[in-house]
Amino acid sequence: QKEVEQDPGPLSVPEGAIVSLNCTYSNSAFQYFMWYRQYSRKGPELLMYTYSSGNKEDGRFTAQVDKSSKYISLFIRDSQPSDSATYLCAMRKGGGSYIPTFGRGTSLIVHP
Amino acid sequence: EADIYQTPRYLVIGTGKKITLECSQTMGHDKMYWYQQDPGMELHLIHYSYGVNSTEKGDLSSESTVSRIRTEHFPLTLESARPSHTSQYLCASSDDQGGTEAFFGQGTRLTVV
Repeated sequence: QKEVEQDPGPLSVPEGAIVSLNCTYSNSAFQYFMWYRQYSRKGPELLMYTYSSGNKEDGRFTAQVDKSSKYISLFIRDSQPSDSATYLCAMRKGGGSYIPTFGRGTSLIVHP
Repeated sequence: EADIYQTPRYLVIGTGKKITLECSQTMGHDKMYWYQQDPGMELHLIHYSYGVNSTEKGDLSSESTVSRIRTEHFPLTLESARPSHTSQYLCASSDDQGGTEAFFGQGTRLTVV
């Protein structure tokens, strides 16, 4: 079993929809949780970063972490065609461990 | 604006050639990483460095080598390229100030023919 599981999709939604992207993980030592967006043939871009459990909002994006369920989510409100990309979750331990473990990424397609 | 640069962006090279993929960052980050990513697949860590003169192999076995002589520079070298090395190579950097997470370069897409 992989430490981080993420459905590769693709997830296809109409413009304006609320998108929910999710990851599950097995290692309870993970403390830092990230979401990256990757456009085709580009490097991943850090979108959101959360420490421990809770919610974090940034514009149309909301990240949620539920450590008790080992489950993290990224919500995108009012989705736009420009949001079409692959979204990768990543997480890492604390205490001097800096290397993130990545999910496989979910391909999102927002059609007009 | 601080940034992380990779060159070349695209490279097509013949089998047996020696190649070096360049990665430089202007953020003063002490930690740098090389990942390999095939289309639709996970990022696999192949090398990392926590500072000058520090290099370690990652989870994915790789025939490449790295060096870290300067903080801002983390080149990756393949002594003898093979078609199995065809992939996208991504460089990233981070530091431990306020939990700064990894910033990625644009990647080098390598094709070995």
